[in-house]
Amino acid sequence: NAGVTQTPKFQVLKTGQSMTLQCAQDMNHEYMSWYRQDPGMGLRLIHYSVGAGITDQGEVPNGYNVSRSTTEDFPLRLLSAAPSQTSVYFCASGQGQGNTIYFGEGSWLTVV
Amino acid sequence: GEDVEQSLFLSVREGDSSVINCTYTDSSSTYLYWYKQEPGAGLQLLTYIFSNMDMKQDQRLTVLLNKKDKHLSLRIADTQTGDSAIYFCAERGQAGTALIFGKGTTLSVSS
Repeated sequence: NAGVTQTPKFQVLKTGQSMTLQCAQDMNHEYMSWYRQDPGMGLRLIHYSVGAGITDQGEVPNGYNVSRSTTEDFPLRLLSAAPSQTSVYFCASGQGQGNTIYFGEGSWLTVV
Repeated sequence: GEDVEQSLFLSVREGDSSVINCTYTDSSSTYLYWYKQEPGAGLQLLTYIFSNMDMKQDQRLTVLLNKKDKHLSLRIADTQTGDSAIYFCAERGQAGTALIFGKGTTLSVSS
């Protein structure tokens, strides 16, 4: 997990609250992405970015916003948290044409 | 669309070989990956294979790729109890950047 830092590691939210999961990488990677992991569902892509100023939706984007104002940072925003967003969230980064994708250590989010 | 499928469970005895299988649908995939996840932990990249290769060996790990059948396998030789984890197969998506994951295979190793 070298070089990809996620914060916070654990968070409990009330329904309707907003929050931002932070992700930063220091490897000058073009590509960054957010996944959520739920039991029996594997990892599902939420949003991804192929460079600063460019973002796109993945498989499960609803309820989440992202932005990529710098190469290093790719925050994930929950505007109005719902219990269905209780999950483990992983940020990842890699070179656009490279072969290695690095993952952060995960953020455990509970919405009550 | 793109899809990656894996069997959900595999149980082996310590010292045996484990083979975890995966099928994918995107014939334009350039890289295919195996990740390991231990309980409560993040994802650890075990190995990857480029799509123009048939086989890759890395110590106890052997990856076989059958591009015609879109079938990928991970063989772990001399499986140890420390190998117990969830193993995810993943492919690079059509964009060439996003990873598409299977649901994971839970490997249970008994002594």
